Amino acid sequence: SQQGEEDPQALSIQEGENATMNCSYKTSINNLQWYRQNSGRGLVHLILIRSNEREKHSGRLRVTLDTSKKSSSLLITASRAADTASYFCATDGNSGGGADGLTFGKGTHLIIQP
Amino acid sequence: DADVTQTPRNRITKTGKRIMLECSQTKGHDRMYWYRQDPGLGLRLIYYSFDVKDINKGEISDGYSVSRQAQAKFSLSLESAIPNQTALYFCATSDETGLETQYFGPGTRLLVL
Repeated sequence: SQQGEEDPQALSIQEGENATMNCSYKTSINNLQWYRQNSGRGLVHLILIRSNEREKHSGRLRVTLDTSKKSSSLLITASRAADTASYFCATDGNSGGGADGLTFGKGTHLIIQP
Repeated sequence: DADVTQTPRNRITKTGKRIMLECSQTKGHDRMYWYRQDPGLGLRLIYYSFDVKDINKGEISDGYSVSRQAQAKFSLSLESAIPNQTALYFCATSDETGLETQYFGPGTRLLVL
């Protein structure tokens, strides 16, 4: 079963606007990661936030984590056409403590309109 | 050169055929993973390996087998392919903790007729 669930499933915004995607998960975690996937290609790691962190920044990316609500958000500021991709959250397995692969959500498909 | 490579990149096969997807990595990681991606379902874990002597089933291992020939190589086999195994397959690696970043290959697009 899916651990993470992204919301919305699809998002279309104008270039220059900010894009916010949300992820909810079910069990305890050690960390939560966000990945980007360009159409038909492999996933690329964007950012990792640990369970004891609340917010993290990397360039135009801002990730928040609320472990009490079991949710995370990814904010992309000043969006560019090249940001068009699918974005996935991933958690470190259903047990929350194992290294047995990541559990991915279904993804948010982001389209940046020029 | 890419750190994680997969061959073939695309494959069309017929129901009942045995096929093998191969993955190689140059990152020196001990941990390797196979996932499949279906439209609207995200990625799901098929098998994972912590080292050459350690193989573990993932969420959806039925109909698949794997072989870890060396630290750098992890292959996925479909013993008797069926149409619902049509999907995009990804190999990934991670360091010894397994809790950090995973590095993905470019994927193999498989069509089973």
